Amino acid sequence: DAKTTQPNSMESNEEEPVHLPCNHSTISGTDYIHWYRQLPSQGPEYVIHGLTSNVNNRMASLAIAEDRKSSTLILHRATLRDAAVYYCILSLRGSQGNLIFGKGTKLSVKP
Amino acid sequence: GAVVSQHPSRVICKSGTSVKIECRSLDFQATTMFWYRQFPKQSLMLMATSNEGSKATYEQGVEKDKFLINHASLTLSTLTVTSAHPEDSSFYICSARTSGGPLTRTQYFGPGTRLLVL
Repeated sequence: DAKTTQPNSMESNEEEPVHLPCNHSTISGTDYIHWYRQLPSQGPEYVIHGLTSNVNNRMASLAIAEDRKSSTLILHRATLRDAAVYYCILSLRGSQGNLIFGKGTKLSVKP
Repeated sequence: GAVVSQHPSRVICKSGTSVKIECRSLDFQATTMFWYRQFPKQSLMLMATSNEGSKATYEQGVEKDKFLINHASLTLSTLTVTSAHPEDSSFYICSARTSGGPLTRTQYFGPGTRLLVL
């Protein structure tokens, strides 16, 4: 599976937008980009996923670079409950779609 | 999103005993379920992929005879840690994948089971 690179940690202020970057320079044409987040002592929570086009849902937006070598998860207005570890993961289309987790980005949100 | 439950949420057992963890997809059918393990301050590690009605596929380094996986129905998979030892103490998390094409299908995770082996 192609690897992803994320910053270890980021800080944000409450009610401000947050842009979480992810580099995946070795992504293949069949890899989907998934984002999950995990609060302490809980299972990961699905956030969003996409292939080529930007995606929006009620939780976040996913902006995918034109060359697909990077993507950005956008939280439009951070809340204290958004403090979590955010994982950017690639999975192969048409395969079992196994999700291989990296270290993720620990997001802190300051009131 | 879809709901996945795990039971028990926490278990303490003596060394040498076996522990069974259940994973259920509550509002959808899942032909494929996954089992992960997470040690403190580390990321999730995929242990095995479980397909309904067939044998599980284990990741390299995971002992299939120690971690028995059964996926007997489209809504239930079980992980049994046999002859548990203190080094098996960890946070075990399952996930279930919805059906549909690759753009629509999604993995949903359970809340995890904290296992402590004394």
